[in-house]
Amino acid sequence: AQRVTQPEKLLSVFKGAPVELKCNYSYSGSPELFWYVQYSRQRLQLLLRHISRESIKGFTADLNKGETSFHLKKPFAQEEDSAMYYCALSYGGSQGNLIFGKGTKLSVKP
Amino acid sequence: GAGVSQSPSNKVTEKGKDVELRCDPISGHTALYWYRQSLGQGLEFLIYFQGNSAPDKSGLPSDRFSAERTGGSVSTLTIQRTQQEDSAVYLCASSYRQFYGYTFGSGTRLTVV
Repeated sequence: AQRVTQPEKLLSVFKGAPVELKCNYSYSGSPELFWYVQYSRQRLQLLLRHISRESIKGFTADLNKGETSFHLKKPFAQEEDSAMYYCALSYGGSQGNLIFGKGTKLSVKP
Repeated sequence: GAGVSQSPSNKVTEKGKDVELRCDPISGHTALYWYRQSLGQGLEFLIYFQGNSAPDKSGLPSDRFSAERTGGSVSTLTIQRTQQEDSAVYLCASSYRQFYGYTFGSGTRLTVV
């Protein structure tokens, strides 16, 4: 069965430190992976998609099929990065669905 | 519209009553999804509509939950005989094409007392 695991419920770092939010997935097919972010009192929004290989707000994520991981990284965390981050897996092709991990709360301290 | 609109934003209801939650997706988005967001549980998939295809109802937690999408646009999620465990934020999202990602509404916070 498809599954997304985010092992850390809470990650706390200091401003300027590197940050890595872990995401592992379980899916036998070819995955499409996303990171979504929810800032305080705002709606959930797409941060980045692995298919586009983009860097948004300094964040990047690389799909590692061997380790079935899609970790989110940023070299220098900022206080405004504090938010809830969700990793998501799309499966089932064009008619498919999106399942989410339970999320990691990132807290960046000054 | 400019974004996904959900109403009401907050709903307090008594246990045993029925509630209806509404979602207006982005115009032209063929796919519409309902999720439930509970503290510590992340986002739980409920139901998915894609065009004129039969909806994927595999995430509905019980037969008290149902949803419909009229004219390929507005969707209503109905919860009958609400229970306290139904208290959560109910999120709607729409998508033009799946791999472009979803656009979420701001949600309806349901509290069953």
